[in-house]
Amino acid sequence: QKEVEQDPGPLSVPEGAIVSLNCTYSNSAFQYFMWYRQYSRKGPELLMYTYSSGNKEDGRFTAQVDKSSKYISLFIRDSQPSDSATYLCAMLQGAQKLVFGQGTRLTINP
Amino acid sequence: GAVVSQHPSWVICKSGTSVKIECRSLDFQATTMFWYRQFPKQSLMLMATSNEGSKATYEQGVEKDKFLINHASLTLSTLTVTSAHPEDSSFYICSARSFTTGNYEQYFGPGTRLTVT
Repeated sequence: QKEVEQDPGPLSVPEGAIVSLNCTYSNSAFQYFMWYRQYSRKGPELLMYTYSSGNKEDGRFTAQVDKSSKYISLFIRDSQPSDSATYLCAMLQGAQKLVFGQGTRLTINP
Repeated sequence: GAVVSQHPSWVICKSGTSVKIECRSLDFQATTMFWYRQFPKQSLMLMATSNEGSKATYEQGVEKDKFLINHASLTLSTLTVTSAHPEDSSFYICSARSFTTGNYEQYFGPGTRLTVT
């Protein structure tokens, strides 16, 4: 069993829709949770960064963490074609090591 | 701020040769740099962690004699793939982190696509 599970998709939604992306994890030691966006043939770009359970909002993006269920989510409101990318969840193990999910390929259709 | 560059962005080499990839932090001092490998439609897998002036720490299953990492300065780390084989073809991504920022954020480079023929 992988430490971080993420549905690879692909996920295709119409422009303006609310997108929900999710990851589950098995390691209770994970304390910090991140969401990265990666465009094709580019390096990942940090979108959101959370520590505690609950919600964190940044513009159209909301990150949600439920430590009791070992489940994290990223919501994208008013999705735009420019949001089309692969979204990776990542979790910090110890002080330095990031453990990534497989990534979900998202396409927003105009 | 927090820009990380990689060079080259794309390289093709013949089987048996060695290739060096550079990772630079352009506007901050990177006390720690990380090297990842990403196969098509798969996630990033950490290969090694390097602290400036120290030997790199390799993840289980990564051959340290094949993937040589040097982190000689606070702004430059290099990954050398020695005696490359077609199975080493992959997307190699570095990231950098500075403890002076006081957080755990890693800043990623744009990646280097290696093709071994």
